[in-house]
Amino acid sequence: KAGVTQTPRYLIKTRGQQVTLSCSPISGHRSVSWYQQTPGQGLQFLFEYFSETQRNKGNFPGRFSGRQFSNSRSEMNVSTLELGDSALYLCASSLGGANNEQFFGPGTRLTVL
Amino acid sequence: GENVEQHPSTLSVQEGDSAVIKCTYSDSASNYFPWYKQELGKRPQLIIDIRSNVGEKKDQRIAVTLNKTAKHFSLHITETQPEDSAVYFCAAPYLGGGGADGLTFGKGTHLIIQP
Repeated sequence: KAGVTQTPRYLIKTRGQQVTLSCSPISGHRSVSWYQQTPGQGLQFLFEYFSETQRNKGNFPGRFSGRQFSNSRSEMNVSTLELGDSALYLCASSLGGANNEQFFGPGTRLTVL
Repeated sequence: GENVEQHPSTLSVQEGDSAVIKCTYSDSASNYFPWYKQELGKRPQLIIDIRSNVGEKKDQRIAVTLNKTAKHFSLHITETQPEDSAVYFCAAPYLGGGGADGLTFGKGTHLIIQP
């Protein structure tokens, strides 16, 4: 099976802009979780989508949003970008029952100037 | 959500020695505790996990122990090798026992294997 893929791999934006990141899960996986990884804060949970519904949400401002499509592909959007949003954004897919192994994608490196 | 603390942040051991990384969690309802390894420039990968109905699990040189009463769990790596050098993350369900897949991660331990 193909692994989790993310596009784009690298992105440079300026403050105030918005950005959309995409994640394609492993075939058959119905859950997609998103994480922000930074040197200072480590891996932080953003949100999880299961069967097109947000099932779980971390402690991030409303500028961070996401959605999931009927084929389980997911997108996350960050509006009004801030310098502090510069990070590696990782998505992970899993079967979706609960407490299943999460398989990570390669990440999207976002730089905000 | 769940809160996970991980120690130490950096661990340097001689090749062939053992390494132990410890984590504590806050939500007594949490029932799943995975460990991920992330090599430089690569994605995190699951190396072992344990569920709350067992106290210990072993896979070759890697073992994980869980103490539910004290709410802590540990990763043990024996006979360390150069390829064990990486950052290791412990995790627990973000919603505790809430039936979802999002995880709360510890801050990570940078394991350095000295030749």
